Order: sequence, then structure tokens, then C-alpha cells
Amino acid sequence: DIRMAQFPSTLSASVGDRVTITCRASQNIVRWLAWFQQKPGQAPKLLIFDASSLESGVPSRFSGSASETEFTLTISSLQPDDFATYFCHQYYDYPWTFGLGTKVEVK
Amino acid sequence: EVQLVESGGGLVKPGGSLRLSCVASGFTFNSYTMHWVRQAPGKGLEWVSSISSSSNYIHYRDSVKGRFTISRDNAKNSLYLQMNSLRVDDTAVYSCARTHASGTSDYWGLGTLVTVSS
Repeated sequence: DIRMAQFPSTLSASVGDRVTITCRASQNIVRWLAWFQQKPGQAPKLLIFDASSLESGVPSRFSGSASETEFTLTISSLQPDDFATYFCHQYYDYPWTFGLGTKVEVK
Repeated sequence: EVQLVESGGGLVKPGGSLRLSCVASGFTFNSYTMHWVRQAPGKGLEWVSSISSSSNYIHYRDSVKGRFTISRDNAKNSLYLQMNSLRVDDTAVYSCARTHASGTSDYWGLGTLVTVSS
């Protein structure tokens, strides 16, 4: 199985901060990587697919990038609505696998 | 509005069975590959199974092969997961998810809790 190492597990930040979350795949997944946001009691929300493509309706402060097996989600200026848990997901091959998540909390 | 609503979870003893359902609305169900994903308490997400739009292609994670069966009824806009020989480590919230055009998933349900305990 492809392992997805996601870090940090927790991130303390303030409104307006630039936030970066990283996932590292255990093997080449090309760009078959998505980022999701999840809030308590809600279903995950797709933010980024194909490593860097912004899902329709997602604010442009969210962006994704890739370098070989390392993938990054960046929030350029953290907004109050962005305090949530974020996780990565590889869909290069079955079994799909996920990062363990990064909780972005108020500093 | 796309909606996925799961049901069928509950408390079952080890070795028991459950059938989960996911009813879809707001999109053309028979055009999409669908998935089951689970999350055990305090653990990360774990993909369980996928089924193509016409049920031609089915995949399972190794730990559920031979015990779980995914199926769908496109006439009823419904996805199912028959779970047999349940084990304690199958305890989780089970969610259904729709495939996004890119191949990942986009819409997820809120899930149904399956607890396997004696």
C-alpha cells in the first residue's frame, strides 16, 4: 500500500497567517493527490485535486503544489472559516490511502 | 444538491453481519463510480471498497476481501455494503463517497456507525 505521511499533525495559527501542510507519498503517485477539509460533524470537502487544481467554488487562497513525492497545501491568508482538519488522499492506485490529517487550530 | 445518506449501522457481535445502504440524490447516480470509506474511532480514514457505474469493476481492501460485498441498484439510486464475519477491528463510521471527474472523490455522506463488540 502507498503510505501518505502528513505533517504537521497540529498547527496553531492566526487569522491572516500563511499556512503550509505537507504530504509525502511512499512511492511515485504522479499528481494523483487530493486535499480535503473536514469540520466536526461535517463530511469532507474537496479542495484540491490532481495536486494543484482548485475545485470549483473553493476560495483562491487555497493552493496545492507538488515536487516528486512531496505535496503541499497552502492557505495564503488564513480566514476564520479555515480552522478545521485537512487531509491528503492519493488515488493513484487501490487501495486508496489517506494522510492522518492536520488540525489547524487557533493560536 | 448532491446528497449521500448512509444507514444500516449498529451494534453487532463479532462474527455477525450488517448491510449498509447509501441513498444518493441530486445527481445521475448510474454515471458514477462509488466508494465506501471508513474511519475507526481516533484513527485515520481507510478506503474499503469501490464499484464502477455498471458494477463491472469492483475493488476491495485486502482485510475485507471475502467478507464484504459491495453492490448497487441504479434504479433505486442506492449503494450497499454487505458485511459478514464482522470483527472488532471493523468498528468504524462507514461513509459512501462519489467519484470526482479527476478520479478522487468529491461528495461524501456523513456516515453510519458500525460497532462490533461482544
